[in-house]
Amino acid sequence: QVQLQESGPGLVKPSQTLSLTCTVSGGSISDARYYWSWIRQPAGRGLEWIGRIYSSGSSHYNPSLESRVSMSVDTSKNQFALTLSSVTAADTAMYYCARDVFIMLRGVPTNWFDPWGQGILVTVSS
Amino acid sequence: DIQMTQSPSSLSASVGDRVTITCRASQNINSYLNWYQQKPGKAPKVLIYAASSLQSGVPSRFSGSGSGTDFTLTISSLQPEDFATYYCQQSSTSPLSFGGGTKVEIK
Repeated sequence: QVQLQESGPGLVKPSQTLSLTCTVSGGSISDARYYWSWIRQPAGRGLEWIGRIYSSGSSHYNPSLESRVSMSVDTSKNQFALTLSSVTAADTAMYYCARDVFIMLRGVPTNWFDPWGQGILVTVSS
Repeated sequence: DIQMTQSPSSLSASVGDRVTITCRASQNINSYLNWYQQKPGKAPKVLIYAASSLQSGVPSRFSGSGSGTDFTLTISSLQPEDFATYYCQQSSTSPLSFGGGTKVEIK
C-alpha cells in the first residue's frame, strides 16, 4: 500500500525559502493514474491546496501562491518537492503531501486525495 | 474561485445519533465533491468521492448525496470513533478548495 512521508526543516526564517520533500513508498510516482499534491493547514484552521505535479514535471499551482511556489519531481528517487519563497508568518502551517487520484466515473473524470502523508509542521520565525 | 461553505461549523451528538453535515458550493460543481475525516493530530482521510461513492474500507454508515451546489454527508449511527472534523472539497475547478470544516463533538 502506498505511503507518503514529508521531510524538511521545521523552522524557516522570514523572507527565506521553505523547501520540503515527499517520499513515496509502496508504489511508483510515475504511475500514470496519479498526480501528486501539496496541501497545507494553519493550526486550528482549514485546508488550502497549494498545487499538484505530474511525473512528467507538468505542474499546476493555486493562483494565490503561484508567484512564490515551485514544485519538482525526481522519479529516480520516487520523490516530489515543494519550494515556497519569501515566506512570512502567514505561511506557518502543517504541510501535507498527498496522492491525487484521477478516475473516469460514469464517463466523467473525477479526482480526490488519497492517501496523505502524516504532515510536517513548518514554523516561520526569526 | 469556488467557495465551499459547510454547516454547521460544529455540532454535539450522542453515540447512535444520525448526523447530517451540509456543504454548499458558490457555483455548480456537478458531482465533483469529496468528503474527508480528520482526527486530532492526523492527516485527513477520504470517506466519499464524487459526491456519493464510498471509499474502499470506509464503513457503510457513511453516505453522501447531492449535486450541483448542495451536498450532504450523513452518518447513520454515530460511533465513538466518528468524533472528528469533517471537510468537503470540490474537484471541479482549479484552484481546488475545501470547506471550513464541521467538528463533531460528544454530547
